[in-house]
Amino acid sequence: EAQVTQNPRYLITVTGKKLTVTCSQNMNHEYMSWYRQDPGLGLRQIYYSMNVEVTDKGDVPEGYKVSRKEKRNFPLILESPSPNQTSLYFCASSLLGRETQYFGPGTRLLVL
Amino acid sequence: QKEVEQDPGPLSVPEGAIVSLNCTYSNSAFQYFMWYRQYSRKGPELLMYTYSSGNKEDGRFTAQVDKSSKYISLFIRDSQPSDSATYLCAMSYERTGNQFYFGTGTSLTVIP
Repeated sequence: EAQVTQNPRYLITVTGKKLTVTCSQNMNHEYMSWYRQDPGLGLRQIYYSMNVEVTDKGDVPEGYKVSRKEKRNFPLILESPSPNQTSLYFCASSLLGRETQYFGPGTRLLVL
Repeated sequence: QKEVEQDPGPLSVPEGAIVSLNCTYSNSAFQYFMWYRQYSRKGPELLMYTYSSGNKEDGRFTAQVDKSSKYISLFIRDSQPSDSATYLCAMSYERTGNQFYFGTGTSLTVIP
């Protein structure tokens, strides 16, 4: 089954404790991306990647890191999480990064 | 000014009604236009995408793009309670591997 998977689905952590949210796709897509979704602000793009070792900043990259060492994986790293990073996070992939994206199920993060 | 504007609603209609959802945008360089449906606690799922101007129909759903007015619409005919969800518009440029821009979403409830 073609899909985008994320782990963990739910995470509660404390300020300053480094965490990683994993994302994997099995569709051989070139493009992968991370979003956060907040009430009233909609989906905002954090980082995106068109290829291995190629990443670009989206609208809200501050406080986040990403890496693309393999085509299928695109982890999101929060080196020192803060409460304003409490949000619902989505990973997405796209064949060419322009006409369509397929989203994962989401990771709900609470930073205390 | 935001790149993409979308009326958040909420919108409530009786079953069987025709629903019209709309977005406006400011950047005339957008070429791909997408509509996503998002159920509560789920990731967005692609409904339709359109390239440049024109109409596209898929079952009860019709997407329209008017580039001269920088305005896109999604029509839902014979609306069903299962259509109750948040609808997100999204846009991107012609080139591959680019950033996506989302509206904030319109919450729709179809009352049986």
